[in-house]
Amino acid sequence: GAVVSQHPSRVICKSGTSVKIECRSLDFQATTMFWYRQFPKQSLMLMATSNEGSKATYEQGVEKDKFLINHASLTLSTLTVTSAHPEDSSFYICSATQGLAGAYEQYFGPGTRLTVT
Amino acid sequence: AQSVAQPEDQVNVAEGNPLTVKCTYSVSGNPYLFWYVQYPNRGLQFLLKYITGDNLVKGSYGFEAEFNKSQTSFHLKKPSALVSDSALYFCAVRAGNTGGFKTIFGAGTRLFVKA
Repeated sequence: GAVVSQHPSRVICKSGTSVKIECRSLDFQATTMFWYRQFPKQSLMLMATSNEGSKATYEQGVEKDKFLINHASLTLSTLTVTSAHPEDSSFYICSATQGLAGAYEQYFGPGTRLTVT
Repeated sequence: AQSVAQPEDQVNVAEGNPLTVKCTYSVSGNPYLFWYVQYPNRGLQFLLKYITGDNLVKGSYGFEAEFNKSQTSFHLKKPSALVSDSALYFCAVRAGNTGGFKTIFGAGTRLFVKA
């Protein structure tokens, strides 16, 4: 199946600093990429959807100035958590689809565990 | 609005026994339905999907799911459980051609398979 990588897998940062998480589709072109946040023992919360070359669409309640998403190419999307605070600590997961039609399944990255101290 | 319900937080089954993980959904129009599995500290892995056609869908690792339109259900099944099947399972729905790319995930069901 299609492979999505995420880097880093774990990151610890100090409060007030920014952290960038990369998401890459390794063997396919990702028309659409998604960023999720997952709290312990909870489901995935969609943060934003991004299409290559255009601005991301953020879900209600997600601050776009705090969670900067860049989808510069068909194989790379980045999420930057700016001015991180302890409450931003979470498991962040990206996913990607190959096509525009809704029938395509999503391929998920392994996730990034962010801890803000 | 789209929604997905996984009524069981946890399912326990003995190895070798059949397993069922339940999922019901609500969506306008035709649903696209998916099952994903998540192992600890990992992202989700795609198991199977129903888009159209045969109501019984077969997927990875011996899993299958049956689409039941009248009951708006898409239960995940496996005839004989393995200890290695122990994981967190998510059902997801997307509204057919009108739903765009937004997928709604259920809360997840944790499956424990005992040896």
